[in-house]
Amino acid sequence: ETGVTQSPTHLIKTRGQQVTLRCSSQSGHNTVSWYQQALGQGPQFIFQYYREEENGRGNFPPRFSGLQFPNYSSELNVNALELDDSALYLCASSYYLIAGNQETQYFGPGTRLLVL
Amino acid sequence: GNSVTQMEGPVTLSEEAFLTINCTYTATGYPSLFWYVQYPGEGLQLLLKATKADDKGSNKGFEATYRKETTSFHLEKGSVQVSDSAVYFCALLPGTYKYIFGTGTRLKVLA
Repeated sequence: ETGVTQSPTHLIKTRGQQVTLRCSSQSGHNTVSWYQQALGQGPQFIFQYYREEENGRGNFPPRFSGLQFPNYSSELNVNALELDDSALYLCASSYYLIAGNQETQYFGPGTRLLVL
Repeated sequence: GNSVTQMEGPVTLSEEAFLTINCTYTATGYPSLFWYVQYPGEGLQLLLKATKADDKGSNKGFEATYRKETTSFHLEKGSVQVSDSAVYFCALLPGTYKYIFGTGTRLKVLA
């Protein structure tokens, strides 16, 4: 069974640029969630994708967008990067149950983004 | 709204000492509760979970009991090791789609 993988592991960008982060979900999972973890803080929910559609969103501006593909992999896109976007970006996959509940989320190793 | 409060760290212990990391929550309904661990430079690993009141989650010597009456989910371990040094996150899943995480508690275990 393959776990959650993310790429790249590290990334350096400058303010105003755009970035795309990638995530492959764990085998058998149909849902992907993205979190931002600033230094010394807990992860903050960005959004979740289920069946290739956004299934919920946290308090992040529209310049944070995502995609989920038929194989359940996902991308996080951030436009017009700001210095405060520097963080560890975590992807988590899970299995979304029909009843509206979901099972435990399993996290990837993260992508560390530095915006200069 | 939903929230998680963890004790502030860092927590520094000697090897074989008893560990308690406090976690309390505010939530509507009946959330599931989790402890995740993050080792330096890595993502989050699920440590244990509990899905209903009075459930006890356990793994690798760590335990936590879901106490609805005190809205708590404290993490305990009877004898810590140097390899337990990490940041521990308490989280709740209020039946919807997003986890609510605490700010994390850094544990340092000295040999």
